[in-house]
Amino acid sequence: NAGVTQTPKFRVLKTGQSMTLLCAQDMNHEYMYWYRQDPGMGLRLIHYSVGEGTTAKGEVPDGYNVSRLKKQNFLLGLESAAPSQTSVYFCASSFPHEQYFGPGTRLTVT
Amino acid sequence: AQSVSQHNHHVILSEAASLELGCNYSYGGTVNLFWYVQYPGQHLQLLLKYFSGDPLVKGIKGFEAEFIKSKFSFNLRKPSVQWSDTAEYFCAVNSPYGGSQGNLIFGKGTKLSVKP
Repeated sequence: NAGVTQTPKFRVLKTGQSMTLLCAQDMNHEYMYWYRQDPGMGLRLIHYSVGEGTTAKGEVPDGYNVSRLKKQNFLLGLESAAPSQTSVYFCASSFPHEQYFGPGTRLTVT
Repeated sequence: AQSVSQHNHHVILSEAASLELGCNYSYGGTVNLFWYVQYPGQHLQLLLKYFSGDPLVKGIKGFEAEFIKSKFSFNLRKPSVQWSDTAEYFCAVNSPYGGSQGNLIFGKGTKLSVKP
């Protein structure tokens, strides 16, 4: 039982490049979330999903897109990366209230 | 809108000192309350949670928290900290009624540094 996993762990992008972050969970949770963590800001919700095939915007959705084609996977996409998206990204899943977090992806946009 | 306030940005203690981290939330209805811990370089882990019942909840590693509904507070306590408690602590709240109300709202975190 791996819990919540994220790939990749680290990534450096140039401004304007695109990438996809993958989150996978093996706990059969309905709910999944993407957060970004910035110093002094806590965790801010980017997008979330309450079930396969559904997604919704969180607090800071601009510049990101998501997809939940399979229940166990939640993808976060950056179509045109900007330096303001330099952050640590955490995925979480829940059923539905207690959230379990992945190890994070550290993304730097230069 | 719901919000969570953590009063201390950075707390520095010596080993064996007692710890209390403040957390206040603004939400008029029923809430679930959580404390998460993030050790350096790691992901968030659940320390303890309150859904209902006894307002004094005990978590892992000797931590406890008390829900005081009249004060909208959920302060975290530990009688005697250890160097290994050095971490960042996040308070979070959500509504038990699911949907977008079920999304966690996090405080900005309190860094705890414990001097050996």
